[in-house]
Amino acid sequence: GDSVTQMEGPVTLSEEAFLTINCTYTATGYPSLFWYVQYPGEGLQLLLKATKADDKGSNKGFEATYRKETTSFHLEKGSVQVSDSAVYFCAPRAAGNKLTFGGGTRVLVKP
Amino acid sequence: GAGVSQSPSNKVTEKGKDVELRCDPISGHTALYWYRQRLGQGLEFLIYFQGNSAPDKSGLPSDRFSAERTGESVSTLTIQRTQQEDSAVYLCASSPTGQGTLNTEAFFGQGTRLTVV
Repeated sequence: GDSVTQMEGPVTLSEEAFLTINCTYTATGYPSLFWYVQYPGEGLQLLLKATKADDKGSNKGFEATYRKETTSFHLEKGSVQVSDSAVYFCAPRAAGNKLTFGGGTRVLVKP
Repeated sequence: GAGVSQSPSNKVTEKGKDVELRCDPISGHTALYWYRQRLGQGLEFLIYFQGNSAPDKSGLPSDRFSAERTGESVSTLTIQRTQQEDSAVYLCASSPTGQGTLNTEAFFGQGTRLTVV
């Protein structure tokens, strides 16, 4: 079945630091790729997505590029803020349309 | 409604009791998911409904867990003889399916926080 491997957290950073969260996946067919975010006390919401190879999804200063050759979808942000403190989930969606989530990476940004 | 609605938002139950959790998906969404999230943990897949196809029940942790969905509407997740390890937030999500919708996100409800005492 499909699976996702995310780097384990927590990741603790200072404000304005560079953030990378690694995500690799295995999936049948040609999946779409998603990053979801869960802010403290809130539900999950979509952060960004990419639907084909070499596509770059971006939102709120975050970016991730669909790398088919390495089956990866690493999340990056050049300068994090305290408000970026959250749990981030990588999720491929392959044929059959079932969403598979990684274990989540908790990010804590300190002022 | 505009989003995925789950009820109740909080539920405290005694060990051994049965509980029923409800999810109202976004109208027209044929796919519906249930996930479990224990405190500080990731999302654990429970069950997936896609239209009239047989549901994917591969994530249900035991036969105490069951879920139903009538057509493309409301779904209920039932936990029988609850145990303390069932304490978690139960999340429901819905999304469109079908050709052209592979890149469409799933929309999540706010979850039901279940506490078994």
